[in-house]
Amino acid sequence: SQKIEQNSEALNIQEGKTATLTCNYTNYSPAYLQWYRQDPGRGPVFLLLIRENEKEKRKERLKVTFDTTLKQSLFHITASQPADSATYLCALDPQTGANNLFFGTGTRLTVIP
Amino acid sequence: ETGVTQSPTHLIKTRGQQVTLRCSSQSGHNTVSWYQQALGQGPQFIFQYYREEENGRGNFPPRFSGLQFPNYSSELNVNALELDDSALYLCASSSRGPGLGEAFFGQGTRLTVV
Repeated sequence: SQKIEQNSEALNIQEGKTATLTCNYTNYSPAYLQWYRQDPGRGPVFLLLIRENEKEKRKERLKVTFDTTLKQSLFHITASQPADSATYLCALDPQTGANNLFFGTGTRLTVIP
Repeated sequence: ETGVTQSPTHLIKTRGQQVTLRCSSQSGHNTVSWYQQALGQGPQFIFQYYREEENGRGNFPPRFSGLQFPNYSSELNVNALELDDSALYLCASSSRGPGLGEAFFGQGTRLTVV
């Protein structure tokens, strides 16, 4: 069966450290993989998109890697801040441009001052 | 703010009733997708509308149906509500096409079925 697993439900780190979140998937062949941030009671907010032929993508303090052989994506937040505390969701788009997204369960990140 | 608005924000319904949720897309977007998010879970894909036609459906029964209008706004209808339908319902708009994958979500409608 198809699965998208994010490494842990909750992750606590000290301010200033790098947070690393993991997304593993089985029985998907995603054209794209995306990462979203979700705050309590709000809809997800898009952060980064990476294509199947890309290994790494960066945006400010964020970095995403995508390994289609391992079927894994890593999401890094460097120099983390308390304002980064939120739930982070990975999402797969199995079809080019169709935007039918399949989400993992999310990792709740808490950055401790 | 994403420019995607959903109404209502909260709703309480009784089991067996029917409900209609509404979504206004971000300007310029021609694709609307609906998701159900249970507490503590990731969003689950219900279906997508592109140019007023259903274009992909997740593992949801036929009592979940939808519409997209010429102005790209959309409705989600759920008939014969069950207790398990209680969730946050999210609408996302996007532009269809390769490399245009990011979705813009509304704030959601919190549906409680009692």
